[in-house]
Amino acid sequence: GDSVTQMEGPVTLSEEAFLTINCTYTATGYPSLFWYVQYPGEGLQLLLKATKADDKGSNKGFEATYRKETTSFHLEKGSVQVSDSAVYFCAPGGGNKLTFGTGTQLKVEL
Amino acid sequence: KAGVTQTPRYLIKTRGQQVTLSCSPISGHRSVSWYQQTPGQGLQFLFEYFSETQRNKGNFPGRFSGRQFSNSRSEMNVSTLELGDSALYLCASSAITGATSNEQFFGPGTRLTVL
Repeated sequence: GDSVTQMEGPVTLSEEAFLTINCTYTATGYPSLFWYVQYPGEGLQLLLKATKADDKGSNKGFEATYRKETTSFHLEKGSVQVSDSAVYFCAPGGGNKLTFGTGTQLKVEL
Repeated sequence: KAGVTQTPRYLIKTRGQQVTLSCSPISGHRSVSWYQQTPGQGLQFLFEYFSETQRNKGNFPGRFSGRQFSNSRSEMNVSTLELGDSALYLCASSAITGATSNEQFFGPGTRLTVL
């Protein structure tokens, strides 16, 4: 079955620092790729997605590119804010079944 | 448009009991998926329903079951509760099924505690 490897957290950054959260996956075929975010006490929200190789998903300053050759979908943001503190999940998926990574907790400090 | 709603938000049960959780998808969405989130196992797919039929199932014991009604609302049931069933149960709805780029919209979850 599908599987996902995400970098371990927590990741602690200062405000305005550059963020990278690594994600690699194994999957049958060519799934769509998603990043979801979970703020404290809340459910999951879709952050961005990419549906085919070389697609770049972007939202709220976050970006991730679908790299088929390396089976990766790393999340990046140029300048993080305290409000970005949350848990981030990488997930390949298809047919309404998502396989989630373990999640990476991000803490942004002033 | 109202989002995905789940009831109840919190539940406390004892071992051996059974529980039913409810999920109302976004209006017009016909696919409902359920996930279990625990600190140890993370987020795991339970099952997906579309047009009242289970289309996909994760690797959970038969104590976990679900159903979907004609209005797309879904329920999941856990029988003979065990301590390890304590988790956040998330429901997600999607407008279509079968395609690879479906966006799933998640509800706030039901926090189940088994004592």
